[in-house]
Amino acid sequence: KAGVTQTPRYLIKTRGQQVTLSCSPISGHRSVSWYQQTPGQGLQFLFEYFSETQRNKGNFPGRFSGRQFSNSRSEMNVSTLELGDSALYLCASSVMIAYPQAYEQYFGPGTRLTVT
Amino acid sequence: GQQVMQIPQYQHVQEGEDFTTYCNSSTTLSNIQWYKQRPGGHPVFLIQLVKSGEVKKQKRLTFQFGEAKKNSSLHITATQTTDVGTYFCAAPSAGTASKLTFGTGTRLQVTL
Repeated sequence: KAGVTQTPRYLIKTRGQQVTLSCSPISGHRSVSWYQQTPGQGLQFLFEYFSETQRNKGNFPGRFSGRQFSNSRSEMNVSTLELGDSALYLCASSVMIAYPQAYEQYFGPGTRLTVT
Repeated sequence: GQQVMQIPQYQHVQEGEDFTTYCNSSTTLSNIQWYKQRPGGHPVFLIQLVKSGEVKKQKRLTFQFGEAKKNSSLHITATQTTDVGTYFCAAPSAGTASKLTFGTGTRLQVTL
C-alpha cells in the first residue's frame, strides 16, 4: 500500500497570509489526524477527522481548521499566519489495532511551514 | 490536560552501550505506544503495550508497561548507529482512543 502523502512538502508564507495543507491517507484508513511539531513544544495534536466529521480537537486557536472529504483526503487551513506558526505539520492516518482502545498512526513526511 | 513526561531529553552513547528512555503519566493509561523519528524524518510506529506489566521485545528493543499502567520504558541493548533518532511515547486521551498525547521525546545520539 502507498503511504501517507502530504503536499506541499515545503512552504514559505508571510505573516497575515493563510495556508492550506493537504493530506492523502493510506487507502482504507478513515481517520486522519493532524499534528504540529516544533522544537519547543514537541508534537501537539491539532484535530482528527473521521468519516468527514471532526472527532477530536486539540488546544489550538480557531485560526487552525480542517476538513475531510468523502475519499478521506484531508486539508488543514491556517488563517492569519503568525511567526509562531512556523513548524512541521504532520498528518497521520490511523487504523484501529485493538478494539476499542488503540489506533496505530501512520505519519506522512510532513509539510515544513516557514512564516516570515 | 493529560501530560506524558519523558526522560532523559537527550542521551549520547558509544556504539555498543545500552540505552533506556522512560515515560511517565500522572493518570492510568489504557495503552501506550512508542514511535521513532529519525533526523529529518517523521514518526514511525514501533509498538503498542496494553496490559499491566506487559513486556515486548523487538530484536534489541525491549518495551515495558508498568504494573500501574502509568509508566513505560524502552530499552535498547548494544546500540548501533542506526538507532539514532528521537523516541516518543504516546498515550490516548481518556475516552478518545484516537487522540494521542505524545511525550516530550528522548533524542538518542550514537557515536562510534
